[in-house]
Amino acid sequence: GAVVSQHPSRVICKSGTSVKIECRSLDFQATTMFWYRQFPKKSLMLMATSNEGSKATYEQGVEKDKFLINHASLTLSTLTVTSAHPEDSSFYICSAGGDRVYGYTFGSGTRLTVV
Amino acid sequence: AQSVTQLGSHVSVSEGALVLLRCNYSSSVPPYLFWYVQYPNQGLQLLLKYTSAATLVKGINDFEAEFKKSETSFHLTKPSAHMSDAAEYFCAVSVTGGGNKLTFGTGTQLKVEL
Repeated sequence: GAVVSQHPSRVICKSGTSVKIECRSLDFQATTMFWYRQFPKKSLMLMATSNEGSKATYEQGVEKDKFLINHASLTLSTLTVTSAHPEDSSFYICSAGGDRVYGYTFGSGTRLTVV
Repeated sequence: AQSVTQLGSHVSVSEGALVLLRCNYSSSVPPYLFWYVQYPNQGLQLLLKYTSAATLVKGINDFEAEFKKSETSFHLTKPSAHMSDAAEYFCAVSVTGGGNKLTFGTGTQLKVEL
């Protein structure tokens, strides 16, 4: 079946630095990928829709300058958390391709801790 | 806009007992409904999905769910709980014209006791 690889699984960074998270579709092409954020003991919040070859579509309230999304190829989308702050610490999960008929495939998530 | 409500943030069952996790949806158009399971510090794994075919949907690990339009429900069940079923379960909805977006419920933590 479809496999989505997300890397890194865990990252610790200092305040003010930037962190890049990668989401790759391993055995299929994904023109659309989704980025979610999950707070502790909470549900998943859609941050943005990543579109191959065009700008990402951000959900209301998500700072596009802080959470930079790049979808340069049909198998790779990246989320860069810029000038990270402790409040950006969270679990970030990507979802690649799929649709409502075949279902959606999720990456294994990235635990970001900003110190 | 579509939404799902999961009743009960925590459910505890004995091993071997019936599992019932509740999900109600709200949508002005026919919905597509999903159940996902999440283990600690991992992504989401699809358990099953309803896409307007059979109303009783069977998924992996003996889970199943029934779509009931009259009750706007899509409850998840499993006849006999296993310790390995302990995890967080999310119900999600997607609709035509919604841009393939998934809207998740708040999740239900399932605890399985000996």
